[in-house]
Amino acid sequence: DVKVTQSSRYLVKRTGEKVFLECVQDMDHENMFWYRQDPGLGLRLIYFSYDVKMKEKGDIPEGYSVSREKKERFSLILESASTNQTSMYLCASSQGGSQGRRGTEAFFGQGTRLTVV
Amino acid sequence: QKEVEQDPGPLSVPEGAIVSLNCTYSNSAFQYFMWYRQYSRKGPELLMYTYSSGNKEDGRFTAQVDKSSKYISLFIRDSQPSDSATYLCAIEETSGSRLTFGEGTQLTVNP
Repeated sequence: DVKVTQSSRYLVKRTGEKVFLECVQDMDHENMFWYRQDPGLGLRLIYFSYDVKMKEKGDIPEGYSVSREKKERFSLILESASTNQTSMYLCASSQGGSQGRRGTEAFFGQGTRLTVV
Repeated sequence: QKEVEQDPGPLSVPEGAIVSLNCTYSNSAFQYFMWYRQYSRKGPELLMYTYSSGNKEDGRFTAQVDKSSKYISLFIRDSQPSDSATYLCAIEETSGSRLTFGEGTQLTVNP
């Protein structure tokens, strides 16, 4: 059974704190992604990584950074948490490279609901 | 303008109804089209994928793509209460690259 595991389901942090969200996948996938999901805005890509130590900005990278030191682990870092970063954060992984005509199946974790007070 | 537009609903239908969910997209380079289903307090899961214009059927679900109109649809026949979820369209330019998601449509099927 494939699995993407996020370290916390719920987190409450204070404004200005440094926050780490951890994600681990056990499928040997090359690609890993961090999204945030907000009502009315849907899923928005924050950062993604195609390989170890590689990262690319998504659509809303401001205020976030990422780390991928090992293939199975992708961390999202909020350098100084702010109330507008209160959201549901979803990590996903997918197989890299061309899958022919199949399209990418991304596997998602359960999500971390972060509240910044 | 968003790259992918999806009516967020909410959509409420009686059990047994035919449901139509739709997305439009702006980038003609998109080649792969997917529908994900997300149950409450869960991450999204892939429901269907297709890469060509036309219809693809899987049980009660049919995915339809019209590349000339940049329009994709998901039809659910004989809808069941267990179909109650948020449905997200997802599109990508090349296989194995990043996905661009629609906002998601929240569907409730009433017994």
